[in-house]
Amino acid sequence: NAGVTQTPKFRVLKTGQSMTLLCAQDMNHEYMYWYRQDPGMGLRLIHYSVGEGTTAKGEVPDGYNVSRLKKQNFLLGLESAAPSQTSVYFCASRRLAGGRDYEQYFGPGTRLTVT
Amino acid sequence: QQQVKQSPQSLIVQKGGISIINCAYENTAFDYFPWYQQFPGKGPALLIAIRPDVSEKKEGRFTISFNKSAKQFSLHIMDSQPGDSATYFCAASSNDYKLSFGAGTTVTVRA
Repeated sequence: NAGVTQTPKFRVLKTGQSMTLLCAQDMNHEYMYWYRQDPGMGLRLIHYSVGEGTTAKGEVPDGYNVSRLKKQNFLLGLESAAPSQTSVYFCASRRLAGGRDYEQYFGPGTRLTVT
Repeated sequence: QQQVKQSPQSLIVQKGGISIINCAYENTAFDYFPWYQQFPGKGPALLIAIRPDVSEKKEGRFTISFNKSAKQFSLHIMDSQPGDSATYFCAASSNDYKLSFGAGTTVTVRA
């Protein structure tokens, strides 16, 4: 099993450009998440999904959109990139909790620079 | 506003020493408290987790201490090794699918 994979690994954008980050998981997990990681800020939740076809806003959703058309994929879109979106983006997934198991499995990250 | 406050931001410990990282929270609905470990260039990975019905959980050299009345929990790394050098995040969750992370602590173990 590959676990959680993210595409691309690195990207440089100019201000105003758009792009889509792809997350894929092969663990049949119900829940998927997008985080951004900035120095001194920890991991902040951008958007998440509790199942195919559903999405919800997290802590810092502005400037981002998401879609979950297939259970295994979760896409993060930036419609008009801004320098403030320079960050490392992580995708994570979690199985439908049985009992009280909330472990999230993280991908390797995408380093995005907006100039 | 971070729901979980973590300290210190960084620490340096000698090989064989003890590393201690502290976290505090306000939301009494939190019922799951994991610690994640992240190596440079990698995604975080679950290290150890605790529920509020126990005050301590130990896995190898890693121990979580939990104080429900003080709303605090901490990670102790015993006999620290150079391979433990990483960033550690505490987190907390209630039954709403989401984790709230602390800001992270960078641990450096000197040989």
